[in-house]
Amino acid sequence: QQPVQSPQAVILREGEDAVINCSSSKALYSVHWYRQKHGEAPVFLMILLKGGEQKGHDKISASFNEKKQQSSLYLTASQLSYSGTYFCGTDFIQYSGGGADGLTFGKGTHLIIQP
Amino acid sequence: DADVTQTPRNRITKTGKRIMLECSQTKGHDRMYWYRQDPGLGLRLIYYSFDVKDINKGEISDGYSVSRQAQAKFSLSLESAIPNQTALYFCATSDMDRNQPQHFGDGTRLSIL
Repeated sequence: QQPVQSPQAVILREGEDAVINCSSSKALYSVHWYRQKHGEAPVFLMILLKGGEQKGHDKISASFNEKKQQSSLYLTASQLSYSGTYFCGTDFIQYSGGGADGLTFGKGTHLIIQP
Repeated sequence: DADVTQTPRNRITKTGKRIMLECSQTKGHDRMYWYRQDPGLGLRLIYYSFDVKDINKGEISDGYSVSRQAQAKFSLSLESAIPNQTALYFCATSDMDRNQPQHFGDGTRLSIL
């Protein structure tokens, strides 16, 4: 089942903060976050593993709530370069306890940063 | 040079034609994937392969076939193209360690008339 991302779109002024959420109805092994600029390939941002953790680099961070099967991506003091579509890719837990094969991506969140 | 190369980058063809999209990588990764992207639907997995002898169907494999000719090459074929297969197609690779990211090619924009 495809994870649900929210919001579908958000428009911000440069310097404002944004939160993008990704929710799954299935138990997650990990969550991957990617950003895609228009007409370009998705670019990897970070991976969150089960066990509940938070990661970050620069002003982009993410958390993974294993109990809720949710991940959130946080963009602070947004820059014009943050504009694009953000996708979460979910890796489900199989019955054996390991991860599934391949990622199931959400429909994406469109982020527009205005000067 | 790009680590994951897709050819062609753009293709326009007619209904019923056979089409092959090619992907090659220099990253030395074992896992390769084909995704399809449609506006508003995100990326959907078509096929994936963990090595030359391992091919697996993804979420939307009907109407597609693949071939893993070598560790570095993974081709996607549309045996008889139909208009609703018009989309942006991405190839991706990853290491065998599932906790590693996927690396995407630049995509092939396919239009079927």
